[in-house]
Amino acid sequence: QKEVEQNSGPLSVPEGAIASLNCTYSDRVSQSFFWYRQYSGKSPELIMSIYSNGDKEDGRFTAQLNKASQYVSLLIRDSQPSDSATYLCAVGVDSGGGADGLTFGKGTHLIIQP
Amino acid sequence: ETGVTQTPRHLVMGMTNKKSLKCEQHLGHNAMYWYKQSAKKPLELMFVYNFKEQTENNSVPSRFSPECPNSSHLFLHLHTLQPEDSALYLCASSQLPGSLQETQYFGPGTRLLVL
Repeated sequence: QKEVEQNSGPLSVPEGAIASLNCTYSDRVSQSFFWYRQYSGKSPELIMSIYSNGDKEDGRFTAQLNKASQYVSLLIRDSQPSDSATYLCAVGVDSGGGADGLTFGKGTHLIIQP
Repeated sequence: ETGVTQTPRHLVMGMTNKKSLKCEQHLGHNAMYWYKQSAKKPLELMFVYNFKEQTENNSVPSRFSPECPNSSHLFLHLHTLQPEDSALYLCASSQLPGSLQETQYFGPGTRLLVL
């Protein structure tokens, strides 16, 4: 059974600091990894995707992937109060030829303190 | 968010009612998905449609019945639901089914309450 684990938090970070969100996954053949942000009462919004080991940067966001450790993380630099939300880690497996749904973690509730 | 639309946004129904949720994607995607999001639980995949063909049914009870008449529209027909089915139902779509680059985009969801 595929599992994606996240610390539910809340994770409280001062404004301007770096927020670090972590995720581990159980399925070794997982090949695609996504971070979604979900504000209360809203639907998930894609923040970052990563497919290869290493770091991927996009503005204030950096995704890190380590397939050997089955670990993916999201760093948010210069955290802003508007970053306060639940961050969902999602993992996909390419089963070959067809669409596959993603397996989601429960999400980490991030609070940026002004 | 406007790329994938869902109606209704809120729905209250009794256990004996029959209702349908509608999803429409305006992104030219080829795959569509239904997810269920309950409080304190991760998003749960329910159904996957790839080029209008159902490719995955994640052990969902038969009181949930999906329908995909074309690549742009997806329905979830509901009948004789239980109170524990109350949740946020999210529709998503993706462009490249089966591809490593498959990114799913979500609609705003339908908040369902079963009394």
